[in-house]
Amino acid sequence: NAGVTQTPKFQVLKTGQSMTLQCAQDMNHEYMSWYRQDPGMGLRLIHYSVGAGITDQGEVPNGYNVSRSTTEDFPLRLLSAAPSQTSVYFCASSYSTSGRETQYFGPGTRLLVL
Amino acid sequence: SQQGEEDPQALSIQEGENATMNCSYKTSINNLQWYRQNSGRGLVHLILIRSNEREKHSGRLRVTLDTSKKSSSLLITASRAADTASYFCATSPYNQGGKLIFGQGTELSVKP
Repeated sequence: NAGVTQTPKFQVLKTGQSMTLQCAQDMNHEYMSWYRQDPGMGLRLIHYSVGAGITDQGEVPNGYNVSRSTTEDFPLRLLSAAPSQTSVYFCASSYSTSGRETQYFGPGTRLLVL
Repeated sequence: SQQGEEDPQALSIQEGENATMNCSYKTSINNLQWYRQNSGRGLVHLILIRSNEREKHSGRLRVTLDTSKKSSSLLITASRAADTASYFCATSPYNQGGKLIFGQGTELSVKP
């Protein structure tokens, strides 16, 4: 099993550009989530999904969109990138549909917005 | 706002010594988890302790949970240089399904 995979590993954007961060898992987990990690801030939840077709907002959802059309994939879209979105983004999945149990993390995507 | 606060923010010890990290949180929880993050990598789950448990062991790791004080501690015994990493606690708030809330982490450095 590849576990949780994320692409790209690193991306540079200009302010106002859009992009999609990809996340896929091959563990048949219903629960998937996106976090951003900033220095001194720990991880903050952006959006999460408890199954295909079901998404909900986390702590810092503004500026980000998600959709979940399949169990395997959970892309994160930045519609108009801002410098404040410079961060490291982690995708995670869990065998628990509540998301309360162990979460398995991807390797992260480093995003720089100029 | 952050649910968990970790103490200390940074810890430097010699190989063979024990390392203790603390986590405090604000609301009632279902469980509390500890994760490790090596530099530039994703987080790896270490251990989960449920709200009705007081202590749990896994290899060289010992976790305690005091729900009356809303606090937890992670003890790593006989530390090795390979334990150098950041350690995060994460709580599952009791009435907030679908969320794990992470603390800011403790940066552990184990010197050979």
